[in-house]
Amino acid sequence: DTGVSQDPRHKITKRGQNVTFRCDPISEHNRLYWYRQTLGQGPEFLTYFQNEAQLEKSRLLSDRFSAERPKGSFSTLEIQRTEQGDSAMYLCASSRTGVVEKLFFGSGTQLSVL
Amino acid sequence: AQKVTQAQTEISVVEKEDVTLDCVYETRDTTYYLFWYKQPPSGELVFLIRRNSFDEQNEISGRYSWNFQKSTSSFNFTITASQVVDSAVYFCALSEGSSNTGKLIFGQGTTLQVKP
Repeated sequence: DTGVSQDPRHKITKRGQNVTFRCDPISEHNRLYWYRQTLGQGPEFLTYFQNEAQLEKSRLLSDRFSAERPKGSFSTLEIQRTEQGDSAMYLCASSRTGVVEKLFFGSGTQLSVL
Repeated sequence: AQKVTQAQTEISVVEKEDVTLDCVYETRDTTYYLFWYKQPPSGELVFLIRRNSFDEQNEISGRYSWNFQKSTSSFNFTITASQVVDSAVYFCALSEGSSNTGKLIFGQGTTLQVKP
């Protein structure tokens, strides 16, 4: 039983570059979430999908951020024109639809923008 | 607005001591859910417990216990006879009952260090 996997684990980029992260959820989970966590803080909700539909986006998700989940399987999170303030851990989680689900998290992608 | 406050930033104890992690929440909803997650050094958050706002019974799971008090809007977590493997960051989180999703509001976390 594989868990949620995220790739890459670490990404270092220069300001202004584009980056893309991938998340593979647990196979039978139809919901997928993206969270962002900065040092010393708790995770903050960014967006979530039910199957391939993106159902909610946080105000934290600026126009430079875009997420997709084609075919309702893996998801990608792209950040365009990265800024130093984008440096954070990007966490992916998945769950089954239900009454306030139990989330299963991946180990995250640590982004450093120089 | 919903908010979760974990006032203890860091706690250090010696193995076998009991330790309580505090969590205070704010919400206007009458239906809501509270969670605790553990984040070990490897990074992935691990689910520990979920409670709904209508169930104020305390819960015990092995060395872990949770005390939910609506009157004080608190959901505290106690580890009895702590072990080195308990060292991690612990997060308390809140979900609106009406949202029916995994959209959680997390506290700032409490870093627990258990020394041998």
